[in-house]
Amino acid sequence: DVKVTQSSRYLVKRTGEKVFLECVQDMDHENMFWYRQDPGLGLRLIYFSYDVKMKEKGDIPEGYSVSREKKERFSLILESASTNQTSMYLCASSLDRGPYGYTFGSGTRLTVV
Amino acid sequence: GQQLNQSPQSMFIQEGEDVSMNCTSSSIFNTWLWYKQDPGEGPVLLIALYKAGELTSNGRLTAQFGITRKDSFLNISASIPSDVGIYFCATSIFTNAGKSTFGDGTTLTVKP
Repeated sequence: DVKVTQSSRYLVKRTGEKVFLECVQDMDHENMFWYRQDPGLGLRLIYFSYDVKMKEKGDIPEGYSVSREKKERFSLILESASTNQTSMYLCASSLDRGPYGYTFGSGTRLTVV
Repeated sequence: GQQLNQSPQSMFIQEGEDVSMNCTSSSIFNTWLWYKQDPGEGPVLLIALYKAGELTSNGRLTAQFGITRKDSFLNISASIPSDVGIYFCATSIFTNAGKSTFGDGTTLTVKP
């Protein structure tokens, strides 16, 4: 069964901490994405990557960075966590070249206190 | 950027009722996708539509790709409690390396 695995389901971090959210996919997908989901705001794209070491900003990249050193792994980094980054974070992957759907992970619910 | 208007925002229905939700856009797309998100989980792809006018079923779910290529609808027949969740429409532009635009979601509550 193909999978996108996010390393943590729940995380609690302190304001100012550097936070790493990890995502691994086993489908050899070229594209990987990070979204955040907040009530009433839908899914908002933070960053995406279409190849190893490549990244592009999404709609809300401020306060975040990403790393893709290997094809299967896409990390989201909160450089200095703030309370307004408390949210559900969803990782997804998809095949390149074409209107194919995403496979999502189960999400990481991050609380910044 | 592109924007999808998904409606209704939420629905409260009785078990056994049929459900209809839709998405519209001012832009033309080559693909419409429908996802369902169970509480506490990530969205899962339900139906993908690739051709204008296409009507596709998946069990009790039926979705159509609008003839103008600017809209799509999803119907659920004879709803059951496990249909509860958030339903998202999404579109994809063929040349955009698979990057999708998502609607804001329809939250469905089913009362037994």
